[in-house]
Amino acid sequence: DQQVKQNSPSLSVQEGRISILNCDYTNSMFDYFLWYKKYPAEGPTFLISISSIKDKNEDGRFTVFLNKSAKHLSLHIVPSQPGDSAVYFCAASAAGGTSYGKLTFGQGTILTVHP
Amino acid sequence: KAGVTQTPRYLIKTRGQQVTLSCSPISGHRSVSWYQQTPGQGLQFLFEYFSETQRNKGNFPGRFSGRQFSNSRSEMNVSTLELGDSALYLCASSPWRAGYNEKLFFGSGTQLSVL
Repeated sequence: DQQVKQNSPSLSVQEGRISILNCDYTNSMFDYFLWYKKYPAEGPTFLISISSIKDKNEDGRFTVFLNKSAKHLSLHIVPSQPGDSAVYFCAASAAGGTSYGKLTFGQGTILTVHP
Repeated sequence: KAGVTQTPRYLIKTRGQQVTLSCSPISGHRSVSWYQQTPGQGLQFLFEYFSETQRNKGNFPGRFSGRQFSNSRSEMNVSTLELGDSALYLCASSPWRAGYNEKLFFGSGTQLSVL
């Protein structure tokens, strides 16, 4: 049962343009959502997060949007840079229940930014 | 502040052997959790330790076990290794249990190859 899904395995964009990565979830208990960036053979690095009481959070070039009714979140990167090329994982957690104490990850999206 | 440290970085074992992986969390962090990453499978939650007690466990066989020491350092054991256990094993720490408004900090991982 895949509770967090990233349906696009890969995304290719031109430098300077917007990158939009999408994520869907099914567990209504999730109330905190995170995006991580990962390079091969390295651990994931935290990028940005959003709690369920908000619908938008910004940090520099990165903005995360949350649509609770659709159980959908997205990460916008503007402008995209070649150094942003990596695998992006969305993850979710809950303040209680069986999902407390762990992050549930999506399958990841490989972002490639071309110069 | 030093990050999450995992040792060893690479490990090669043969089927049927046993392996122990080590993780030192960020100073002051009380929660340590473990994840397995295999190609195409994203990051799968193994287990979470907080204050030396296992608080949550993923859907892995009993061959996978772990423990946490009083200084928050953690070890993970895999007994009777199988070829399918080849993966990147990631350790993550956080000040409190992963949940609402709590992000995890990951180490670089231990790449385990089972021959």
